[in-house]
Amino acid sequence: EAGVVQSPRYKIIEKKQPVAFWCNPISGHNTLYWYLQNLGQGPELLIRYENEEAVDDSQLPKDRFSAERLKGVDSTLKIQPAELGDSAVYLCASSREWSTGELFFGEGSRLTVL
Amino acid sequence: AQKVTQAQTEISVVEKEDVTLDCVYETRDTTYYLFWYKQPPSGELVFLIRRNSFDEQNEISGRYSWNFQKSTSSFNFTITASQVVDSAVYFCALSDITIYNQGGKLIFGQGTELSVKP
Repeated sequence: EAGVVQSPRYKIIEKKQPVAFWCNPISGHNTLYWYLQNLGQGPELLIRYENEEAVDDSQLPKDRFSAERLKGVDSTLKIQPAELGDSAVYLCASSREWSTGELFFGEGSRLTVL
Repeated sequence: AQKVTQAQTEISVVEKEDVTLDCVYETRDTTYYLFWYKQPPSGELVFLIRRNSFDEQNEISGRYSWNFQKSTSSFNFTITASQVVDSAVYFCALSDITIYNQGGKLIFGQGTELSVKP
């Protein structure tokens, strides 16, 4: 079974530029999560999808961040414009059901904003 | 508010030593889940264990064991006879499952970086 796939693994951009991250969850996993992980910290939830519906986006900074999960499979997380403080690792995870807490994570996309 | 504290930022041991990673949590909920995840250098977090708040029985899986004590709000993780491959960052996490739209939201601690030297 293929794991959660994320791309790109690394991205370096200048501030005020846009950036997008892509995630392909494990086949059959209805729940998809985007987490933000700052250096030396634990992951923090940005948004959770049940199929194509965003059911928890309370932590997503909506002025510059947006996400979509068309057709309830792949997902894209976008930042526009990026700020220096957005430098972090963006983790995507999926699970069969939201309630189990057993999440399968991708390797993450490391963003550096200069 | 829910909170997870892992007071040990870094631990370094020599191979074959036993090591315990501490986790203390705060929640007002009576029903919740606790978790441990491992993050190797490659970056992806790997699920290790889930425990619900009604089950305080300790669990052992090979060299791994977990001690859940509700009285002290702790969920500690012990690795027996550590190996170099155990080197990673370990995260303790808490989940509230009482509210539908909040469930599955994992609150992670800051992590403990374990270094096992040969």
